[in-house]
Amino acid sequence: GDSVTQMEGPVTLSEEAFLTINCTYTATGYPSLFWYVQYPGEGLQLLLKATKADDKGSNKGFEATYRKETTSFHLEKGSVQVSDSAVYFCALSKGRDDKIIFGKGTRLHILP
Amino acid sequence: DADVTQTPRNRITKTGKRIMLECSQTKGHDRMYWYRQDPGLGLRLIYYSFDVKDINKGEISDGYSVSRQAQAKFSLSLESAIPNQTALYFCATEKGQGHTDTQYFGPGTRLTVL
Repeated sequence: GDSVTQMEGPVTLSEEAFLTINCTYTATGYPSLFWYVQYPGEGLQLLLKATKADDKGSNKGFEATYRKETTSFHLEKGSVQVSDSAVYFCALSKGRDDKIIFGKGTRLHILP
Repeated sequence: DADVTQTPRNRITKTGKRIMLECSQTKGHDRMYWYRQDPGLGLRLIYYSFDVKDINKGEISDGYSVSRQAQAKFSLSLESAIPNQTALYFCATEKGQGHTDTQYFGPGTRLTVL
């Protein structure tokens, strides 16, 4: 079946470091791919998405490119801030009657 | 005001008690979902509803039931709570237009079963 695999955390970085959180997927057809973020004490919210191969989603300095050849959607940010500390979820969705599938989440800690 | 609200935000109860968690939305979305979040397990889908007359089981529906009272309201019940149902519960909504849809989450309910 369809699935999403993302790197296990926690990931701990110093402020201004470069961030990569890996995400790979298994799916038939042409899913849309998402990154959601969960800040402490809050629900998940959409960070960015890409709906077709080679699309790049971007928001708040984060980027991810939909790579069909490697079935990946890695999240990157050039210079992280303490306020980026959160749990990040990669997800895919295939269509009208399909449910979104989430990865297990990666906790990110940014040290000042 | 928040588009997706959940009540209560925190609840402590005892084994065997019946508990209802409520979710309301003002987004006008047809689709609503209940998830459970446990450390290291990510989000797991309990029940979902694509419209008022539609209810579907998710991957972990045992021990839970739901009611879709209106487009805007979707309640989750634990008929007889047990300690391993201690978790963070999230409600989410979705417009239902297709694979590019975004899900909108409530703030969560932290449930502790003693």
